[in-house]
Amino acid sequence: SQQGEEDPQALSIQEGENATMNCSYKTSINNLQWYRQNSGRGLVHLILIRSNEREKHSGRLRVTLDTSKKSSSLLITASRAADTASYFCATALNTGGFKTIFGAGTRLFVKA
Amino acid sequence: SQTIHQWPATLVQPVGSPLSLECTVEGTSNPNLYWYRQAAGRGLQLLFYSVGIGQISSEVPQNLSASRPQDRQFILSSKKLLLSDSGFYLCANRGVGGHNEQFFGPGTRLTVL
Repeated sequence: SQQGEEDPQALSIQEGENATMNCSYKTSINNLQWYRQNSGRGLVHLILIRSNEREKHSGRLRVTLDTSKKSSSLLITASRAADTASYFCATALNTGGFKTIFGAGTRLFVKA
Repeated sequence: SQTIHQWPATLVQPVGSPLSLECTVEGTSNPNLYWYRQAAGRGLQLLFYSVGIGQISSEVPQNLSASRPQDRQFILSSKKLLLSDSGFYLCANRGVGGHNEQFFGPGTRLTVL
């Protein structure tokens, strides 16, 4: 079963609005990552938050992590049409090793 | 900086035909390499990963195999394709920061008819 599950599956907003996507996971993690995928392209790493961090910022991105609830959120502020893409959370497990487990993604559509 | 190449970009193959997808990496040495498959509108399924030449770990039993003939080359193969093998295949390299972040190639779109 999926380690990470994103919510909502799809999100449609107007340009300038904020977009919030959530991710839940099941097992203990070392870190959690968010990726972006434009249609038909490879994924691009956006931001990583370690298990001992609660919040992290990068430009218009804000990521929070609540390890007690096993959940994370990605906030994109002042969205732009160019932010239209699928966003995936991924977890690096605390058991070590080399695997990163991806969720099913949230499809974000930003209307101009 | 590293670059990941995948070949071909798109492929249409009949059921029962063989498959060979190639991934090559530039700008880094001794990479940890991964093959993922993405069904339409879905997340990524890890298929194989490799920590070095000749070292392959398989994540799910299936119709596919992988090989690592050279340090920066990772190949995904099948002897006989199934309809269910259709999808978007992504090769990735593990980042050097030790946090398992992944850097992806552009992908290969495979359609099995």
